[in-house]
Amino acid sequence: DIQMTQSPSSLSASIGDRVTISCRASQSISNYLSWFQQKPGKAPKLLIYGASSLQSGVPLRFSGSGSGTDFTLTISSLQPEDFATYYCQQTYSTFGGGTRVEI
Amino acid sequence: EVQLVESGGGLVQPGGSLRLSCAASGFTYTSYWMHWVRQAPGKGLVWVSRINNDGDNTRYADSVKGRFTVSRDNAKNTLYLQMNSLRAEDTAVYYCARGDARFGMDVWGQGTTVTVSS
Repeated sequence: DIQMTQSPSSLSASIGDRVTISCRASQSISNYLSWFQQKPGKAPKLLIYGASSLQSGVPLRFSGSGSGTDFTLTISSLQPEDFATYYCQQTYSTFGGGTRVEI
Repeated sequence: EVQLVESGGGLVQPGGSLRLSCAASGFTYTSYWMHWVRQAPGKGLVWVSRINNDGDNTRYADSVKGRFTVSRDNAKNTLYLQMNSLRAEDTAVYYCARGDARFGMDVWGQGTTVTVSS
């Protein structure tokens, strides 16, 4: 089975900061990579699909890149509502361990 | 409005059984594969199972294989997860999610909580 490894597991940032989260697959998954945002007590929300395509309604400050085994989620200017936990997922399958973004 | 609503969670003893339901509305249910994902308290997301449009192709995580069964009733627009031989480590919030062929898991329910404890 393919393993998904995220880093860091948590980070502290300030409003306006550029934030980058990494996700590595144990073998190539082409661009079958999704990113989700989850806030406490809520269901996950799809942000990025196909490694780099922005889901409808998601702010443009979110972007995804990468292919094969190495992927990145970038928040260009962190906003108060972005403090949450972020997960990568091999589409329809294994999730990464999550990255908690804290103030 | 596109919506998924889970139900059926609760407290069950180890070794017991529970059936979760996920009612879909606002979209053509038969056009989508469906998934179950769970999240243990304070832990990350774990994919559990998926079923194809017609219900004749299923797949499971190793941790639930042989104990859980996913099914769907396309006439009722409802997804099910039959959980048998439950263990303490099955305690989690269980989410159903729609699997779009292009967008991935794009619609999620609010989750239902399963607690396995004596």
